[in-house]
Amino acid sequence: GENVEQHPSTLSVQEGDSAVIKCTYSDSASNYFPWYKQELGKRPQLIIDIRSNVGEKKDQRIAVTLNKTAKHFSLHITETQPEDSAVYFCAGRGDSGGSNYKLTFGKGTLLTVNP
Amino acid sequence: NAGVTQTPKFQVLKTGQSMTLQCAQDMNHEYMSWYRQDPGMGLRLIHYSVGAGITDQGEVPNGYNVSRSTTEDFPLRLLSAAPSQTSVYFCASSYYSGGANTGELFFGEGSRLTVL
Repeated sequence: GENVEQHPSTLSVQEGDSAVIKCTYSDSASNYFPWYKQELGKRPQLIIDIRSNVGEKKDQRIAVTLNKTAKHFSLHITETQPEDSAVYFCAGRGDSGGSNYKLTFGKGTLLTVNP
Repeated sequence: NAGVTQTPKFQVLKTGQSMTLQCAQDMNHEYMSWYRQDPGMGLRLIHYSVGAGITDQGEVPNGYNVSRSTTEDFPLRLLSAAPSQTSVYFCASSYYSGGANTGELFFGEGSRLTVL
């Protein structure tokens, strides 16, 4: 099955700086890679996702890049703000249905943005 | 829309007791799943279902049972609770098409279970 590794486990930045979180995956058949944000005591919520036919996707201050050859993808947050402080999870999934539809998560990154 | 609703939000059990965590969604999602979240371990898949009458095991299925008799409901049963099952449990659902849909996973608010 799929295995997703996420680094770093904790990340502390100053407000206004950029933050980068990296993930690697093991299953070359995986082709859908979402990122979820979980604020303290809340449920995880999707913030951005990317499919394997796209190398980069942006949404305002966040972007995700994907390198299929190396089997890694990254989340980039620019101009960080205190409200970006949360746990971020990457995940990977195949799209061919059945057992390939399971979403496998990384262990998470606790991002702290210091004012 | 209520989205994904989980009950109870908090529960304390004694070792050996059984209980059921309820999950219901009103978005007509075919795919439903249960995850457990433990510190430093991320979200680990327990069981999942791609439609009524169809269930399958995830990464950590031992000690848990599920059934899917309707599209809306996907209860998780703890057969004989153990302290190792102390965790926060999330139910999540999405469309299931194996195609162009993003398959965004919508989570419930979580159920915090403590087993003494």
